[in-house]
Amino acid sequence: GQNIDQPTEMTATEGAIVQINCTYQTSGFNGLFWYQQHAGEAPTFLSYNVLDGLEEKGRFSSFLSRSKGYSYLLLKELQMKDSASYLCAVSLPGGGNKLTFGTGTQLKVEL
Amino acid sequence: ETGVTQTPRHLVMGMTNKKSLKCEQHLGHNAMYWYKQSAKKPLELMFVYNFKEQTENNSVPSRFSPECPNSSHLFLHLHTLQPEDSALYLCASSQDFSGALEQYFGPGTRLTVT
Repeated sequence: GQNIDQPTEMTATEGAIVQINCTYQTSGFNGLFWYQQHAGEAPTFLSYNVLDGLEEKGRFSSFLSRSKGYSYLLLKELQMKDSASYLCAVSLPGGGNKLTFGTGTQLKVEL
Repeated sequence: ETGVTQTPRHLVMGMTNKKSLKCEQHLGHNAMYWYKQSAKKPLELMFVYNFKEQTENNSVPSRFSPECPNSSHLFLHLHTLQPEDSALYLCASSQDFSGALEQYFGPGTRLTVT
């Protein structure tokens, strides 16, 4: 079976940095996605990693280590609007662009 | 606004009703997906369509029946549902279904089965 683990909840302070971890054990790997989902809204794409290393995009960065089955999403200069659920998803090989998701990490940003 | 719309946004139905969920994408994509999102559970892939052809049925009960008349529209027909089918149903699309491509999600239909 496929297994993707991420913390259920995290709390951080406005202006701070937070790291959301994701570990995975899957039958194959074709890349890892991070999505952001505000309550009652559609998940929106944040990042995609297929090679080891850090991908930076503005305040958000994502890291991947394929040998460790590990990724993290780093959010800098936190803003209140960053309060949302962050979903880690692994793309499985074999066609079909199939994503297997973790349960998501609910991030709360406080003053 | 992601370019993927879903109607209705909320639906309450009894176990003997028949209803349909509609999804439309305005992105020119060729692949479309249905997902189920239940509380405290991961997003679950239900169906995948590529160029109107169903390529994946992730062991979904037959009380859920998808239909894809063209690459822009996707329906999920519901009949004789169970209370445990209450969830958020999300539609998504991608350029096609090869490799690993970003999927664009709609806002979902919140379904309650009474």
